[in-house]
Amino acid sequence: GESVGLHLPTLSVQEGDNSIINCAYSNSASDYFIWYKQESGKGPQFIIDIRSNMDKRQGQRVTVLLNKTVKHLSLQIAATQPGDSAVYFCAEFRFSGGYNKLIFGAGTRLAVHP
Amino acid sequence: DTAVSQTPKYLVTQMGNDKSIKCEQNLGHDTMYWYKQDSKKFLKIMFSYNNKELIINETVPNRFSPKSPDKAHLNLHINSLELGDSAVYFCASRGQGFPGELFFGEGSRLTVL
Repeated sequence: GESVGLHLPTLSVQEGDNSIINCAYSNSASDYFIWYKQESGKGPQFIIDIRSNMDKRQGQRVTVLLNKTVKHLSLQIAATQPGDSAVYFCAEFRFSGGYNKLIFGAGTRLAVHP
Repeated sequence: DTAVSQTPKYLVTQMGNDKSIKCEQNLGHDTMYWYKQDSKKFLKIMFSYNNKELIINETVPNRFSPKSPDKAHLNLHINSLELGDSAVYFCASRGQGFPGELFFGEGSRLTVL
């Protein structure tokens, strides 16, 4: 079977610290791995993606690391801010003959404390 | 000027009733989705339409019937509501850019009593 899951359901950090959110996956056939952010009362919002043939990708204050050997994905947020408080989902995307699917993991809640 | 809008935002109803949730996107996207998010925040794809054609149906009970009158709209009708249908339902759309980037609505919270 396929699954995308997370190690920690809740992560608490101090404002200004760096945050690392982890994700484990079991299906090696995914073409992309993606991180989404869901703020309270809102829908998920795309943050960043990484192609399966890469091991690192950087965005604005965020870095995605992909370790295919251990099937592990992480999202690093630098200088975490209160506005980063949300639930973060890793997701896998696979091209499949036109039936492209985005499959979400279980989510990690990030709580940023002043 | 909301990109993906869903109505209603909240819906409380009794078991056995029939209800609909509507979704509209003004992004000009061809593909639309319905996702269900349970109380543990798990997001599961239900349906996907591309240009009004159903392309993904993820073993959802027949009580759930999506309808796409045009590519900007994807509605979800649910018959004979059950307690387990209580969840937040998200509509999303995808354009011609990166296929893993979906644009989600704000969700419709359905509570079945």
